[in-house]
Amino acid sequence: DAKTTQPTSMDCAEGRAANLPCNHSTISGNEYVYWYRQIHSQGPQYIIHGLKNNETNEMASLIITEDRKSSTLILPHATLRDTAVYYCIVSQYNAGNMLTFGGGTRLMVKP
Amino acid sequence: DAGVIQSPRHEVTEMGQEVTLRCKPISGHNSLFWYRQTMMRGLELLIYFNNNVPIDDSGMPEDRFSAKMPNASFSTLKIQPSEPRDSAVYFCASGASYSNQPQHFGDGTRLSIL
Repeated sequence: DAKTTQPTSMDCAEGRAANLPCNHSTISGNEYVYWYRQIHSQGPQYIIHGLKNNETNEMASLIITEDRKSSTLILPHATLRDTAVYYCIVSQYNAGNMLTFGGGTRLMVKP
Repeated sequence: DAGVIQSPRHEVTEMGQEVTLRCKPISGHNSLFWYRQTMMRGLELLIYFNNNVPIDDSGMPEDRFSAKMPNASFSTLKIQPSEPRDSAVYFCASGASYSNQPQHFGDGTRLSIL
């Protein structure tokens, strides 16, 4: 699987949009981009995934660049409960959706 | 709709004892994953089952670790004998290998070996 690079930590003001970047320059054509987050002591929570088109759901939006070498997760109105570690993962779905977790980005939402 | 269910939530035992962690995947999912999380190494995949068959166990650290999936609704991860360095949070996840749909994780078992 392609590797990803994320900033170690980010801060965001409550109520503002949180934009979390991820680089995956070696992504191959059949690899999806998945985003998970982990709130302290809980299991990783699925947020969103995509192949090449931008995606939106009730939790977040995923913007994937045209060359697919990077993506941005957007939390439109961050709340204190969004404080967590956010993981960007690329994976071939036909390989059983095996996920390789990196260090992620620790997002701190501040009042 | 019940998610992935793990038991126990917490386990404290002395080194040398056998430890068994349990997982019930989401109904209809045919893939099951065991992960371990520590401060030093982060989240690591230990083993992956597809249709109850172990596909990749390259992440299993030692022969002291074993995992089974006797049917589609149950899996165990066993450590025998346990050692203090096995202390970690162990997560189980399930998914559908026939689609691009994501894995879903349980709440984990926090294991402490004294």
